[in-house]
Amino acid sequence: NAGVMQNPRHLVRRRGQEARLRCSPMKGHSHVYWYRQLPEEGLKFMVYLQKENIIDESGMPKERFSAEFPKEGPSILRIQQVVRGDSAAYFCASSPLSVDTEAFFGQGTRLTVV
Amino acid sequence: AQRVTQPEKLLSVFKGAPVELKCNYSYSGSPELFWYVQYSRQRLQLLLRHISRESIKGFTADLNKGETSFHLKKPFAQEEDSAMYYCALSESGSQGNLIFGKGTKLSVKP
Repeated sequence: NAGVMQNPRHLVRRRGQEARLRCSPMKGHSHVYWYRQLPEEGLKFMVYLQKENIIDESGMPKERFSAEFPKEGPSILRIQQVVRGDSAAYFCASSPLSVDTEAFFGQGTRLTVV
Repeated sequence: AQRVTQPEKLLSVFKGAPVELKCNYSYSGSPELFWYVQYSRQRLQLLLRHISRESIKGFTADLNKGETSFHLKKPFAQEEDSAMYYCALSESGSQGNLIFGKGTKLSVKP
């Protein structure tokens, strides 16, 4: 089991472009969580998804951000019309169940908006 | 509002010295508390959780509800303990929806 895989590891976008971040959960894991870490800050929860469903998006900015976890393929975090303030490390975690099981983290995608 | 505070950004100790990484939380219910560690160039990984009351790599942490603290301790630090340490709180029992502190960088000098 290769662990939670995120790609790309580094992504550079110009202001106004779209950023797509991918997360492949561990085998057998159907729960995915996205976090954002701004410089000098802790990880902040963004969204929790199960296959084809958004369970909790309380941490997602209301505009420009969206997430999906289709039946087949990785979970995608999409940021439209990126701004400098979106520059951060974005982490994905996955777990087999929603409670009482460890969530395993990916290595993150570092987004830089220039 | 729920919050996790790690007051020290950086903690530097010598090998063999005791280590205490502080964590305080603000939460009205009965939270679950965790410590995560991130070694250089590696992914974030769970170190321990208060419910299991385990000792991992010599680290322990006791939940003190009166002081709302969950400090991480080790009696004798090793150089390989150098890493970023994050305290985290779960409201729902889910380890996927966590409130993290800003982290403390532990540096253990030879």
